Amino acid sequence: QKEVEQDPGPLSVPEGAIVSLNCTYSNSAFQYFMWYRQYSRKGPELLMYTYSSGNKEDGRFTAQVDKSSKYISLFIRDSQPSDSATYLCASANTGNQFYFGTGTSLTVIP
Amino acid sequence: GAVVSQHPSWVICKSGTSVKIECRSLDFQATTMFWYRQFPKQSLMLMATSNEGSKATYEQGVEKDKFLINHASLTLSTLTVTSAHPEDSSFYICSARDFRNSNQPQHFGDGTRLSIL
Repeated sequence: QKEVEQDPGPLSVPEGAIVSLNCTYSNSAFQYFMWYRQYSRKGPELLMYTYSSGNKEDGRFTAQVDKSSKYISLFIRDSQPSDSATYLCASANTGNQFYFGTGTSLTVIP
Repeated sequence: GAVVSQHPSWVICKSGTSVKIECRSLDFQATTMFWYRQFPKQSLMLMATSNEGSKATYEQGVEKDKFLINHASLTLSTLTVTSAHPEDSSFYICSARDFRNSNQPQHFGDGTRLSIL
């Protein structure tokens, strides 16, 4: 079992839709949870970072962590074509070990 | 804040050449830097983790004599691909974090596209 599992998609939605991206993790010791966005031929860009259960909102993006079920989600409201990218979830413990999902490819159709 | 600069962004060279890639943290001290390799439409593959002033820790299957990593300062790490061959062509990405701040995530550079002819 991988430390972090992520549905690779691809996911295609119309502009303005609400997008839900999800990951599960296996290690209850993980304390930090991240979402990165990666455009083609670019490095991943940190979108959201949280270390507690619950929701964290930043503009159109909401990260949700449920430690009891080891489930992390990213919601994108009013999705735009510029949101088309690959989204990577990641989990980490207090050390230097980070575990990344395989990424979900998202396309927002105008 | 938390900007990581990677250079060059794209390099094309002949087989047998050694190529050096630089990764710099511009506005924070990176006690730890990570080097990844990424094939098209695939996820990140961790190659090695380096701590400032120490030898890098390589992942299983990564040749340390092939991929030389130097992390001599808190703002700079380099990856040298020695005697590169076409199979080394890939997208290489670095990331950095300040390990002393256990709350800090990894921040990535924009990657280097390496093409070996």
